[in-house]
Amino acid sequence: TQLLEQSPQFLSIQEGENLTVYCNSSSVFSSLQWYRQEPGEGPVLLVTVVTGGEVKKLKRLTFQFGDARKDSSLHITAAQPGDTGLYLCAGRYAGGTSYGKLTFGQGTILTVHP
Amino acid sequence: EAQVTQNPRYLITVTGKKLTVTCSQNMNHEYMSWYRQDPGLGLRQIYYSMNVEVTDKGDVPEGYKVSRKEKRNFPLILESPSPNQTSLYFCASSLRTQNYEQYFGPGTRLTVT
Repeated sequence: TQLLEQSPQFLSIQEGENLTVYCNSSSVFSSLQWYRQEPGEGPVLLVTVVTGGEVKKLKRLTFQFGDARKDSSLHITAAQPGDTGLYLCAGRYAGGTSYGKLTFGQGTILTVHP
Repeated sequence: EAQVTQNPRYLITVTGKKLTVTCSQNMNHEYMSWYRQDPGLGLRQIYYSMNVEVTDKGDVPEGYKVSRKEKRNFPLILESPSPNQTSLYFCASSLRTQNYEQYFGPGTRLTVT
């Protein structure tokens, strides 16, 4: 089983602070996705990155895909209480024949205090 | 409204009593998948289906069965549930041409006593 290491597991910050969540693997991804999940609901897709070195922005969220496509990061600028939630990265590994297999990181529980 | 539905949303059952969790999507997606979510472990894929009559194992398939007889439905079957299958289960669907971006259902909380 290929592993996708996500860190940190917990993050508790004050409103207005910046933060970064990391997602790492020793294997190459064909694509990587970030999801956000709120209590009692299913995860909701935030972004997909496909190309090495790719940077995508979604308002105050910046997503980066590593040049070698083995890692990714999510940076939030000036966090707000509404950003509170569980953030999950998920990747499809390049190579092999299991095209539909999706591996998730353990998740990062973010709490933003007013 | 485009959505993935799961039933039931909550289920408490006893060890060994067969159960089925249904999943249906109305987006004409080829791909469907089942996950379980446990604290500290993120989401783990149980089974997935690339299209009708095509299913494959994910990372944690033991104790589960699936079938894909119609494009819109992908039921999860627990033939003989055990307490270690107590978990939060999610069904998801996607288009294969869009990097398998998952649309998730609302989840089914299963407790096996």
